[in-house]
Amino acid sequence: AQSVTQLDSQVPVFEEAPVELRCNYSSSVSVYLFWYVQYPNQGLQLLLKYLSGSTLVKGINGFEAEFNKSQTSFHLRKPSVHISDTAEYFCAVRDSGRGGYNKLIFGAGTRLAVHP
Amino acid sequence: DAGVTQSPTHLIKTRGQHVTLRCSPISGHKSVSWYQQVLGQGPQFIFQYYEKEERGRGNFPDRFSARQFPNYSSELNVNALLLGDSALYLCASSRLAEETQYFGPGTRLLVL
Repeated sequence: AQSVTQLDSQVPVFEEAPVELRCNYSSSVSVYLFWYVQYPNQGLQLLLKYLSGSTLVKGINGFEAEFNKSQTSFHLRKPSVHISDTAEYFCAVRDSGRGGYNKLIFGAGTRLAVHP
Repeated sequence: DAGVTQSPTHLIKTRGQHVTLRCSPISGHKSVSWYQQVLGQGPQFIFQYYEKEERGRGNFPDRFSARQFPNYSSELNVNALLLGDSALYLCASSRLAEETQYFGPGTRLLVL
């Protein structure tokens, strides 16, 4: 079964500093990867996705992620964070099952706390 | 276009009761998936429906059931509620079963 590991449960950072949120996945087949953000008391918003093609994926709000097959990683980066980026970030991999269903397998999440 | 909508936003029930949560997908989306997110954890897959048929089920007891209607909206039902069912229940829709999932705001269920 596929799995996702988010290596940091919490990442504190100062405003305007760069940030990297780490994600590793386990899969031996074609992989589809996602980053979602969850603001307090809200649902999940799609930040970006990797389905195929260029390994550098750009998303919303200035975020980008790099797919690294040899290291089975999909780290999320932003060159300069804002207070408004404070949220929980989830890395997910799509898993397909018999009958044609597709489910997302999520990591435990990384809490990004941006301080002034 | 409106995103995924869910109702109610919050719900308080007592142990042993039954609950029904509702979800309306994005217009044009035919697939709905349900996830449970316990506090401090990532979401866990419960069901996926496509064209009114169950396509997949996660590792949840039979107390959990769902259905999808002809207009592609969906209901999640949970019987005999336990304290451990307290969670945020998220609905996600996609155009086809294999495509990118977009989430609603969730229903927060508290079981006392």
